[in-house]
Amino acid sequence: DTEVTQTPKHLVMGMTNKKSLKCEQHMGHRAMYWYKQKAKKPPELMFVYSYEKLSINESVPSRFSPECPNSSLLNLHLHALQPEDSALYLCASSQGLNINEKLFFGSGTQLSVL
Amino acid sequence: GEDVEQSLFLSVREGDSSVINCTYTDSSSTYLYWYKQEPGAGLQLLTYIFSNMDMKQDQRLTVLLNKKDKHLSLRIADTQTGDSAIYFCAEAAGSQGNLIFGKGTKLSVKP
Repeated sequence: DTEVTQTPKHLVMGMTNKKSLKCEQHMGHRAMYWYKQKAKKPPELMFVYSYEKLSINESVPSRFSPECPNSSLLNLHLHALQPEDSALYLCASSQGLNINEKLFFGSGTQLSVL
Repeated sequence: GEDVEQSLFLSVREGDSSVINCTYTDSSSTYLYWYKQEPGAGLQLLTYIFSNMDMKQDQRLTVLLNKKDKHLSLRIADTQTGDSAIYFCAEAAGSQGNLIFGKGTKLSVKP
């Protein structure tokens, strides 16, 4: 199983809503990532978790709140988002955090903020 | 800081070879990657090359690395319409497994 599963595939939310994005992998990977990808742009790193602890936060606004309940799951809690937060949110995982690790990506959640 | 550059568009005819080029800046990168993204989908790891290699071949894919010029290329032989996608070059950033992506090259394959 080399799959990273993300739900939901599409999400539309208002600026006052609270929603969560979910990501799951069963490859035994100990590092998990959230990336944000705007249309026609490359993915940009948001957060990195290693062994269920937050390792990197790329100065992401607090309206995005990551959570890693266990080694297989990664959530991204969304609250009071802005229309400019509309993007494809990609989850990825890797064996660990070494520089030679290969990242495996999910299909993403396409988020629209109205 | 690290930077990865790619040309934005490439158009080829079905059956021809495609060559997608990439330049990177971080000479300490040990691994360089090629990812494929189809419309509305996530990124699929296509292939990667270790920095002490010049070339790596995997079926229709050939990766060439010129470490002196910090130039990476991906050649797709016998390009098919199913190869139409955006191809991202990426290098490892720092020491924590993050990747720095190029802007992506959109490959269009005409029948």
